[in-house]
Amino acid sequence: DAGITQSPRHKVTETGTPVTLRCHQTENHRYMYWYRQDPGHGLRLIHYSYGVKDTDKGEVSDGYSVSRSKTEDFLLTLESATSSQTSVYFCAIRSAGSGANVLTFGAGSRLTVL
Amino acid sequence: LAKTTQPISMDSYEGQEVNITCSHNNIATNDYITWYQQFPSQGPRFIIQGYKTKVTNEVASLFIPADRKSSTLSLPRVSLSDTAVYYCLVAWEVTGGGNKLTFGTGTQLKVEL
Repeated sequence: DAGITQSPRHKVTETGTPVTLRCHQTENHRYMYWYRQDPGHGLRLIHYSYGVKDTDKGEVSDGYSVSRSKTEDFLLTLESATSSQTSVYFCAIRSAGSGANVLTFGAGSRLTVL
Repeated sequence: LAKTTQPISMDSYEGQEVNITCSHNNIATNDYITWYQQFPSQGPRFIIQGYKTKVTNEVASLFIPADRKSSTLSLPRVSLSDTAVYYCLVAWEVTGGGNKLTFGTGTQLKVEL
């Protein structure tokens, strides 16, 4: 979708293991976002990036870290996965300039922590 | 912290007009209001965006009053395929060049025959 891909699309892991989700864009957009989606909670912002090596926390950042070493990749890491982090994770890129909050989302990564 | 409030769910019938309202008391001065549609197992998809007054495109209309503390998404003559979750998005402006884009809880629209 519009030059944004997430990997892996599905992952099952065990509690306590590290997990990294990757978001890759070919649009050269400055802003990238990670959201999680759970039943009854809608979309919640985990972390976002406003440039290479520039990141900030969102609403539900505890237990997650991110890195952005180059424009095209935004990595979300769960250092020690817990069952409460079972969710669908969406990456998004933001188009255009100030005031234009048009996000393009990836297809999602479904993570199950046993 | 910018907060938005939407109805959790709405029901409608094919051919009717549906209006979904989002409340956003703390919207940032220079930011726009954006609405998204999401089908199961897919990421949200952009529908419409506005700053003030009325905006219309081929899919929907967006009404924003002068105080910008709320917005209403209007879907004309809905069909079964409009059954989805609808989100409004406002920006949570922060220093350092970033904007925390925070979604509302979403409204599940169910359209029946």
